[in-house]
This record gives sequence, C-alpha cells and structure tokens, in this order.
Amino acid sequence: GAVVSQHPSWVICKSGTSVKIECRSLDFQATTMFWYRQFPKQSLMLMATSNEGSKATYEQGVEKDKFLINHASLTLSTLTVTSAHPEDSSFYICSAAVNYGYTFGSGTRLTVV
Amino acid sequence: AQTVTQSQPEMSVQEAETVTLSCTYDTSESDYYLFWYKQPPSRQMILVIRQEAYKQQNATENRFSVNFQKAAKSFSLKISDSQLGDAAMYFCAYRGIQGAQKLVFGQGTRLTINP
Repeated sequence: GAVVSQHPSWVICKSGTSVKIECRSLDFQATTMFWYRQFPKQSLMLMATSNEGSKATYEQGVEKDKFLINHASLTLSTLTVTSAHPEDSSFYICSAAVNYGYTFGSGTRLTVV
Repeated sequence: AQTVTQSQPEMSVQEAETVTLSCTYDTSESDYYLFWYKQPPSRQMILVIRQEAYKQQNATENRFSVNFQKAAKSFSLKISDSQLGDAAMYFCAYRGIQGAQKLVFGQGTRLTINP
C-alpha cells in the first residue's frame, strides 16, 4: 500500500517552455507532499512542501515563481517548471508522509534543450 | 537546524560479507525518527529501516540492522550476508517530531557489492 505514482518518468522540453510533473497518491490521502531535486551522484534537496488546499512552503533559495506547486486535492500534487532553462535539467522526486515513514514517487528526469 | 552526515562517499564489500555504513546527525530535539533509504540504479527510493529515538532497542529488518547510539548521535546501518541486489546509494535521513515533518538527508554512500 501507500503508493505514489509520478508522471512523466522522463521529459525533454525546449528552453523557454513549461513542464508539469504530477504525483498522485493511489491508495491513501496525502495531505502533505514534498518535492525534491536530485543532481547526479548527489543527495535529495528539498525544494518545497505542499499542503492540500494551501500555498506551498518553499525552501530558501528556491524560486517560487519558477517552480509552481499546486496541491488541489488529497490525491494530486503538481510541480510546474516554468520557462525552463538547461540549468533546470535534473531529477525531480515527490514524496508523501505515511504511517511508517515516507513513500516516494519514481521520479522524473527533466532535460531542457 | 538539523544536519545529517555520511562520511563514506563509497563503500565496497564482497558478496556474502557484512558491511557497515556510518551516519551521524546533529539535533537539539529529544524525540525524532531516523531512516535508512536505498536508491538503486532505477532511482526509486526504498525504505530499508527506521528507528524511533525513544526506543532503546535497535531496529532490525531481516539482513539489515542499525546501531543507534543516541548520546553519540550515531545511526549506522549493518548489512549482513551482502547480496548483489544490495548495490545502491544509501541515504541516512532524520525527521523531527515537531514542525513540518521534513526529511533531512545525508550526502549518501554508494555501496558496491563485489561478486
């Protein structure tokens, strides 16, 4: 149980366009979703915390206007990378708190060309 | 702010042998949770084991066990009878009881299993 489905698993987009990443909790209600960014061979860096029905809380140094997070329902949270540039290329992972810890999406590899 | 430190960027072990991954953390809280997560090449994060700070008994999950030393703020992971499928990045993580339930990750340790 407690599965988070993340889509797409990979995406290539042109510089200047926007990309939306979705995370759905399949068999539970996720009141809080965490969004991470991971560079190659590095650890996960928390970008923001989203709570259903309220504004996301961004970590210091994360541009909230570039990384738009929406958590409109208890089963869906989205991250939109707006006006993407090559430096936004990375691996993005969502995570939700569950009883025994956390469950993670399978990640999205974003490449901006 | 809480910090988690993994001082071993890479470790290797022979198949069937035992390996210990180190983790230390810094916190002023008295109650919290500690985790070890595994990230194989697929990059899916998998929970290996978790420990509640109020429990003195070390957590164990099959071949995986921890050595939790609360006073020393140390939380090492021991993998017994290492298997090829254990090869992965391993992340130690901390979560406080109070606040936003954020996980704080260590830098990770890349574990290689030699056949």
